[in-house]
This record gives sequence, structure tokens and C-alpha cells, in this order.
Amino acid sequence: AQRVTQPEKLLSVFKGAPVELKCNYSYSGSPELFWYVQYSRQRLQLLLRHISRESIKGFTADLNKGETSFHLKKPFAQEEDSAMYYCALSRAGGTSYGKLTFGQGTILTVHP
Amino acid sequence: GAVVSQHPSRVICKSGTSVKIECRSLDFQATTMFWYRQFPKKSLMLMATSNEGSKATYEQGVEKDKFLINHASLTLSTLTVTSAHPEDSSFYICSASGGTSGTFEQFFGPGTRLTVL
Repeated sequence: AQRVTQPEKLLSVFKGAPVELKCNYSYSGSPELFWYVQYSRQRLQLLLRHISRESIKGFTADLNKGETSFHLKKPFAQEEDSAMYYCALSRAGGTSYGKLTFGQGTILTVHP
Repeated sequence: GAVVSQHPSRVICKSGTSVKIECRSLDFQATTMFWYRQFPKKSLMLMATSNEGSKATYEQGVEKDKFLINHASLTLSTLTVTSAHPEDSSFYICSASGGTSGTFEQFFGPGTRLTVL
């Protein structure tokens, strides 16, 4: 069975500092990895997905199959980045296609 | 992005009663809807997957007779918590997806807070 681990429940940085939210996964097949973000009093929304290889709001994430990691990074954190971040994995095919397995979430706080 | 609504946003009910939660995709046709449960400061746990016009697929450990899911149209799925008990109190979130091939995005509803007294 697949599993997603976010080792840090809480992460605090100062504005302008680099930030890295860790995500490790276990899955025997070829996964699709996502980062979702939930701002205060808002619904969960997609931040980025690994296949797009894009940068959203300054965040990037690279899938490292050797280390089974998909860490989220931003070189200069902003106060508006404060939120709950979830790493999620989806199977790439089969009957479970599209189902998401979420990590435990990391609360990021960016101090002024 | 696409919009998904949930109704009600919060509900309080007595133990033993049933509660229905609606999930609607407002501006797209959702071929698949997912129901999650979220405990305080914890992750989202997938409860079931529903495809329009067919029976829902429940995750291991989720009682299908307890959590009835209906996906009668491409824009509406309902979750009914039957004979609710205090341990069913939780935050229930739905998501909807309209992709037919490749990677497709799930759009999440705002969630429903259920409190069973």
C-alpha cells in the first residue's frame, strides 16, 4: 500500500528565508505526486503537481525517485505563504486511479 | 478553477439520527467524486470514491451501510451518515474530478462540520 510521510508537523521561518517542506513516499509503482495547500479558513487547493514541473507562487518541487521524496521548496518565504501544506500521492493507473493518499500535513508559519 | 460546494457547512444532530451532506460541482461535470474525513490537526482520510451512475467504492475499514453515498448525477453526490453517533463527529470533505484521461485534478469542497450529540 502507498504511504506519504511529512515528518514535520510544524515549520516556522522568517520572511525572506528559504523554506523546504519535506515529503517522502512509499509506493511500488509509478506515482503522481502533488502538493496541496489550505490557507486559513479556505478550502484545500492544488498548489503544484510533479508532472507539470512548474513553479507556482515561487514554490517548486522535484520528484526524486531514488530517495522517494517530493520536497516543496521556496527560496524566499513570504508571510502569505503561511498555511497548511499537504503532500499527496496518486496511483498512475488501475482501479485506484485518481485516488489521493495524503500526508499528515505541515503547518508553515512565516514570521515577519 | 472549478467550484465545488457542500451543504450544509455545519450540522449538529442527535445520536441515532441520520444526516445527509450534499456535494455539488457548480460549473463542470464531475465523473468522479471523493469523500474524505478529516480529524482535528490530522490528515484527510479517503472514505470512498463514487462514479456517476454506479455504486461507490469504499476504502478498507469504512462501513458502507453506515456511510451511504449516492452519485445520481454528474453534478451531485450525497453522503448520508446513518444512525449517527458521537464518534462520527468530524469534518467531512468532498472533492470532484471531471477528467477522463491522464492526470486529472480534484477540486475540493469547503467541508461540512458534523457534530453528533
